[in-house]
Amino acid sequence: DIQMTQSPSTLSASVGDRVTITCRASQSISVWLAWYQQKPGKAPNLLIYKASKLETGVPSRFSGSGSGTEFTLTISSLQPDDFATYYCQHYNTYSVTFGQGTRLEIK
Amino acid sequence: QVQLQESGPGLVKPSQTLSLTCTVSGGSISSGDHYWNWIRQPAGKGLEWIGRIYTSGSTNFNPSLKSRVTISVDTSKNQFSLKLNSVTAADTAIYYCARVTGLYALAAFDIWGQGTMVTVSS
Repeated sequence: DIQMTQSPSTLSASVGDRVTITCRASQSISVWLAWYQQKPGKAPNLLIYKASKLETGVPSRFSGSGSGTEFTLTISSLQPDDFATYYCQHYNTYSVTFGQGTRLEIK
Repeated sequence: QVQLQESGPGLVKPSQTLSLTCTVSGGSISSGDHYWNWIRQPAGKGLEWIGRIYTSGSTNFNPSLKSRVTISVDTSKNQFSLKLNSVTAADTAIYYCARVTGLYALAAFDIWGQGTMVTVSS
């Protein structure tokens, strides 16, 4: 089974900062990776799919990159609404695997 | 605009079967290349994919849960369902249903239900 490992587990940052979250796969997954944002008490919300494609309606300050085994989610300038938990997710024809999550908190 | 809504008992006794239904509104469950998924999240923890069903009835499951899970679809009611048997306290979680749209399920979860809390306790 493919394992997804996110880092860091917790990230402290300030409004206006540029932040990067990393997701590593235990084996190559090509570009079959998504990123989600989840706020307390809410379902996750899709931000990025196919490693770098921005979901419709998601602000352009969010971007994704990577292929193979290493991927990143970057928020170019943090806004107050961005403090949340972020999950990466690998998907393929047979299964789905989530990373353990990265909690983005206010410094 | 398609929406998903989970429903089912909020309390299940240990060793019994957890049963949930996801109702699809605003669109047909059998149109397009849609895969219908169940995901769960214990309180304060991460997301765990349980499994999915295609409208043809074909299924895929998380290997760690496969032996206890059944997912079915009822196109006449525009619903799909989850059954998880022999539950324990470790199955206590928020359960979400979600949609994937894409050939061979090579796509992310674009629509989620709001989630329903299920507690396993006697």
